[in-house]
Amino acid sequence: QVQLQQWGAGLLKPSETLSLTCAVNGGSLSTFHWSWIRQSPGKGLEWIGEINRSGGTNYNPTLKSRVTISVDASKNQFSLKLRSVTAADTAVFYCARGYGSYWFWGQGTLVTVSP
Amino acid sequence: EIVLTQSPATLSLSPGDRATLSCRASQSVTSYLAWYQQKPGQAPRLLIYEASIRASGIPARFSGSGSGTDFTLTISSLEPEDFAVYYCQQRTNWPTFGGGTKVEI
Repeated sequence: QVQLQQWGAGLLKPSETLSLTCAVNGGSLSTFHWSWIRQSPGKGLEWIGEINRSGGTNYNPTLKSRVTISVDASKNQFSLKLRSVTAADTAVFYCARGYGSYWFWGQGTLVTVSP
Repeated sequence: EIVLTQSPATLSLSPGDRATLSCRASQSVTSYLAWYQQKPGQAPRLLIYEASIRASGIPARFSGSGSGTDFTLTISSLEPEDFAVYYCQQRTNWPTFGGGTKVEI
């Protein structure tokens, strides 16, 4: 059974960089697509981007200029960096596995951006 | 961007009732439409993918239908644990989600 365990800083100031990591247990990063998705009261569920089985990335066009998703294959982990955060980036962030649909999700990390 | 509009926003029903949830896309998504259930404090849980295929372990009372721009999730007889928020999601250009339907008692 695939399990995703995620972690990262939960409180940021405006203009800082959000950094989250997701560890994959029970599956290999080289066999599926891996995404970051966030959920906020104002914008609902929003796909941030993904990294595919060959290391290529796709990003939501509205966030593309601020987002980087990367993989550490040796640790079977993938990571999210979101630069220049503002209060509008306050949300619960999830990592997830899938392409057309998302079968497995991390537990979620609440990230709050506040001065 | 493909916008998914879910209706109604809230559905007030009782255990044993039939629930019919709608998801309408701003343009065709063929059959690449998924449905999720989310309970407070939990991640979404995949129920249906490719419009009508139940994910592993999902009870038969959940069914999905539709294609193109109009999709429906039906819960044939509500169990107490089915009261939750339901989201649809598509992936044509990039993934987007609907705003959700809350099924409440």
